[in-house]
Amino acid sequence: ETGVTQTPRHLVMGMTNKKSLKCEQHLGHNAMYWYKQSAKKPLELMFVYNFKEQTENNSVPSRFSPECPNSSHLFLHLHTLQPEDSALYLCASSLGLADNGDEQFFGPGTRLTVL
Amino acid sequence: ILNVEQSPQSLHVQEGDSTNFTCSFPSSNFYALHWYRWETAKSPEALFVMTLNGDEKKKGRISATLNTKEGYSYLYIKGSQPEDSATYLCALGGGYGGSQGNLIFGKGTKLSVKP
Repeated sequence: ETGVTQTPRHLVMGMTNKKSLKCEQHLGHNAMYWYKQSAKKPLELMFVYNFKEQTENNSVPSRFSPECPNSSHLFLHLHTLQPEDSALYLCASSLGLADNGDEQFFGPGTRLTVL
Repeated sequence: ILNVEQSPQSLHVQEGDSTNFTCSFPSSNFYALHWYRWETAKSPEALFVMTLNGDEKKKGRISATLNTKEGYSYLYIKGSQPEDSATYLCALGGGYGGSQGNLIFGKGTKLSVKP
């Protein structure tokens, strides 16, 4: 039990679909993150929320839309994606911000395939 | 743009061998250096977070050192076991504008330990 859950674990969608990824953490953390892992690339930070406020948006295209209704839940809304968006999407949480020295706890990820 | 380099890309060792990996990063605006272990089909798991130059941390057979002035960190595994087989990621917290949660990950070192 990592304390960070993600649903769904696998998702196949067409380019015109709208879907959402969900992340929930049961650790009492204040910061939550979305990462993208593409083949042969390093983990890429997409968004950071700290106390429900977005602190970082790493030049992510607007077809990815994050939502953080409270410190325990994080969503990634997807619409009109491209095949190159196919990747593993990881959610993570930390007590304080990770670049300040707080370790991150990762969820199992959602494997997304865009047809 | 901050760049985190890890070497080697992959490593094959025999059970019982000791091994080490390198993480190199720009030394300016350093906040924190993270090490994670990522086993296949699992979530990345934090090993160490180091914030001070000269930091040395140890967890069982695994240890890490940090030199922020010259911009590198070493991860050591003593007496490798097959269960140590995983990809080892380092991530740098740093940059301008204060702490915003941003971690820059390296591509990782993939370790395979043969029984």
